[in-house]
Amino acid sequence: DAGVIQSPRHEVTEMGQEVTLRCKPISGHNSLFWYRQTMMRGLELLIYFNNNVPIDDSGMPEDRFSAKMPNASFSTLKIQPSEPRDSAVYFCASSFRGDRGSPLHFGNGTRLTVT
Amino acid sequence: GENVEQHPSTLSVQEGDSAVIKCTYSDSASNYFPWYKQELGKGPQLIIDIRSNVGEKKDQRIAVTLNKTAKHFSLHITETQPEDSAVYFCAAFASSNTGKLIFGQGTTLQVKP
Repeated sequence: DAGVIQSPRHEVTEMGQEVTLRCKPISGHNSLFWYRQTMMRGLELLIYFNNNVPIDDSGMPEDRFSAKMPNASFSTLKIQPSEPRDSAVYFCASSFRGDRGSPLHFGNGTRLTVT
Repeated sequence: GENVEQHPSTLSVQEGDSAVIKCTYSDSASNYFPWYKQELGKGPQLIIDIRSNVGEKKDQRIAVTLNKTAKHFSLHITETQPEDSAVYFCAAFASSNTGKLIFGQGTTLQVKP
């Protein structure tokens, strides 16, 4: 089991550029989550999918953020245009939502720096 | 919605001592409470979890207790070692949807050798 795989590990970009973060969940998991971590706000849930369908995107900060899950093994989080305040570590996590309360397995994150 | 409060924000102990981290939650319908450990440059890793039908759970040096009436749960680490130094997060599932996990603010634990 390779775990949740995120790419890239680090991304440095200039304000106004488009950024795409990628995630491959654990095989067999049917729920996928995108979290953002900052010193000020801690771990914030941005959006999560169940069986590839977005269930709750109330944490997505603005229309500049969008997420897709075209199939069970791949998801993207896109920021367009990026701003310096988007700088954070973005985590993807997956779980098997067999019942209420399933452990989330996190990737090692993408550290995004927007200058 | 669910809100999770975690204390303390930082904790420093001597190697061999015990460490306790406490969390409270607001949603009485929450019934699953995991704890995560995050090391530098890595994602949070599940270390122990507890469900609401259990009051205490132990795994070697780590234990978690749950008081549903008071809506609080705690992580206990005994015989701490330098490798226990990390950031620890508690979490609770929001009742609005079974998939949504809400995290506490985190506790930075430092174990001094």
